[in-house]
Amino acid sequence: GIQVEQSPPDLILQEGANSTLRCNFSDSVNNLQWFHQNPWGQLINLFYIPSGTKQNGRLSATTVATERYSLLYISSSQTTDSGVYFCAVTSMNNDYKLSFGAGTTVTVRA
Amino acid sequence: DGGITQSPKYLFRKEGQNVTLSCEQNLNHDAMYWYRQDPGQGLRLIYYSQIVNDFQKGDIAEGYSVSREKKESFPLTVTSAQKNPTAFYLCASSIWVTDTQYFGPGTRLTVL
Repeated sequence: GIQVEQSPPDLILQEGANSTLRCNFSDSVNNLQWFHQNPWGQLINLFYIPSGTKQNGRLSATTVATERYSLLYISSSQTTDSGVYFCAVTSMNNDYKLSFGAGTTVTVRA
Repeated sequence: DGGITQSPKYLFRKEGQNVTLSCEQNLNHDAMYWYRQDPGQGLRLIYYSQIVNDFQKGDIAEGYSVSREKKESFPLTVTSAQKNPTAFYLCASSIWVTDTQYFGPGTRLTVL
């Protein structure tokens, strides 16, 4: 199946700092989503972005499908940004299964 | 108030018992999914359903069973055949299988 690798595995930020999270995938995709999992376990949709660039407030994401990677940018980080960020993809060659990376754990310190 | 609900939030089970986790959605989504998350790991797909009365195995279906008798409901049964059932279980739904998936709050299952 498709492999999804996220980096870095852990990230510690000072409040107000900017950061970039990366997601590499091993096959062509027709679905790519970024999620934020809060400390209570709830997964929140951030972006549906199989290609192109999107922005939502302090967050933005870019997927370069031809090079098989996606980037999530966090600007002016806040303590509420802490949690685990997951990238998940559906391969064009798979039957609609969403495959998750292992996640990046972000800790924002005040 | 639209969304996905899962119950119970916490569940304790004795070894050898079957247990059923509830997942309900009022988003009018055709597709529904069950995932398992172990500590420090990503999510793994257990089962998914594209439409009522149809469901497909995911990557880790052994020891689990599902039904999809109504569009709104997709219950998951963890059977005694599941060797290591203690985990966090998440249900999701989407308009169709290639669309954005939305997740419920999850059920934490602990086997005593």
